[in-house]
Amino acid sequence: LAKTTQPISMDSYEGQEVNITCSHNNIATNDYITWYQQFPSQGPRFIIQGYKTKVTNEVASLFIPADRKSSTLSLPRVSLSDTAVYYCLVGDNYGGSQGNLIFGKGTKLSVKP
Amino acid sequence: DAMVIQNPRYQVTQFGKPVTLSCSQTLNHNVMYWYQQKSSQAPKLLFHYYDKDFNNEADTPDNFQSRRPNTSFCFLDIRSPGLGDAAMYLCATSRGGTGPNQPQHFGDGTRLSIL
Repeated sequence: LAKTTQPISMDSYEGQEVNITCSHNNIATNDYITWYQQFPSQGPRFIIQGYKTKVTNEVASLFIPADRKSSTLSLPRVSLSDTAVYYCLVGDNYGGSQGNLIFGKGTKLSVKP
Repeated sequence: DAMVIQNPRYQVTQFGKPVTLSCSQTLNHNVMYWYQQKSSQAPKLLFHYYDKDFNNEADTPDNFQSRRPNTSFCFLDIRSPGLGDAAMYLCATSRGGTGPNQPQHFGDGTRLSIL
């Protein structure tokens, strides 16, 4: 199982770019990297997913180096509403009976005015 | 809008009294998951269904069971809730198949309290 390690918490100010790095040293060849966002009293929400290099969508970018042992979620110009917990998951397929969809401890991002 | 719906949002039961949590989806996804999330912790996968095939995580207590009568509905049964089972229970769905992790779509959970 590819275990992930993230910072427990991060602080930022409105308008700044935030980069959250996730380590996954034993990532497998078939594993993809997926990030979720969770607000209090809500279920996690999919943000972005990637396999290698860079992926960008309307809310974030995901940078994955060639060795794929880490990944960085980049949130441009954060606002107060981006205050949430961000989870990095690594796995393949739908999770399967191996249960490789394991949420790490997540990073609690606090955005201040 | 297509979504994952969990009812009720809050459920209170008594110690040892069986309780059932429900989840429905309009996404027509063939995989459905149940997670337990305790305060300030990450979601923990309990089990999932791929179509009708049930997959239990190794450390899921026997006290927790699940039913999936059709594609749209999935239930979590807690046979004899203990105080330690108080948590948020999250239901999620995804498309099955090989290839990249199909993103999971989560409901907003049912918060279970045990008296």
